[in-house]
Amino acid sequence: SQQGEEDPQALSIQEGENATMNCSYKTSINNLQWYRQNSGRGLVHLILIRSNEREKHSGRLRVTLDTSKKSSSLLITASRAADTASYFCAHYQGGKLIFGQGTELSVKP
Amino acid sequence: DSGVTQTPKHLITATGQRVTLRCSPRSGDLSVYWYQQSLDQGLQFLIQYYNGEERAKGNILERFSAQQFPDLHSELNLSSLELGDSALYFCASSSRVAGDIYNEQFFGPGTRLTVL
Repeated sequence: SQQGEEDPQALSIQEGENATMNCSYKTSINNLQWYRQNSGRGLVHLILIRSNEREKHSGRLRVTLDTSKKSSSLLITASRAADTASYFCAHYQGGKLIFGQGTELSVKP
Repeated sequence: DSGVTQTPKHLITATGQRVTLRCSPRSGDLSVYWYQQSLDQGLQFLIQYYNGEERAKGNILERFSAQQFPDLHSELNLSSLELGDSALYFCASSSRVAGDIYNEQFFGPGTRLTVL
């Protein structure tokens, strides 16, 4: 079973709006990663944030990490229809990459 | 394109059968990981190999086995297939050994297995 929780499970927004997805985990981590999956396809690594970092940016992506709350958030600014996908957070535990349940993002043109 | 290739893309077989899924990692990557993705279980880690040796094991069934060959490609063997084994099977590779170190994984396009 997965050991990460993400919310919301699904998010529907209009193009141009911002999308925020949240992730919680249960153990201590060295880093947390976010991946994206287009329907039925392979996952694509988006960004990695280390446990000693609080915020990281990559293009229109902003990730925050709060290790005291064991939570992370992914913000996609100025969303586009092409951002429609599932987004997963993941962290290593005992050599295994553990994925959250994912957030299904739908961006309507 | 991640550089990780998987074959076949689709596989339809019957219960009780055995299939082999193949994965070629990115050039230079020594670690290969296998994952199963289904609607009810989500994305589950199965097993990891590093340079031919098993390094980490997840909830992999005894009916499933894997290996990594000297040329670093990997195969996942699924036997005595059941209806519940129908899923997407992903392979991923990375340049370092998995563990609690900074490490991103590159995923292949997956093999969709349907067991009838």
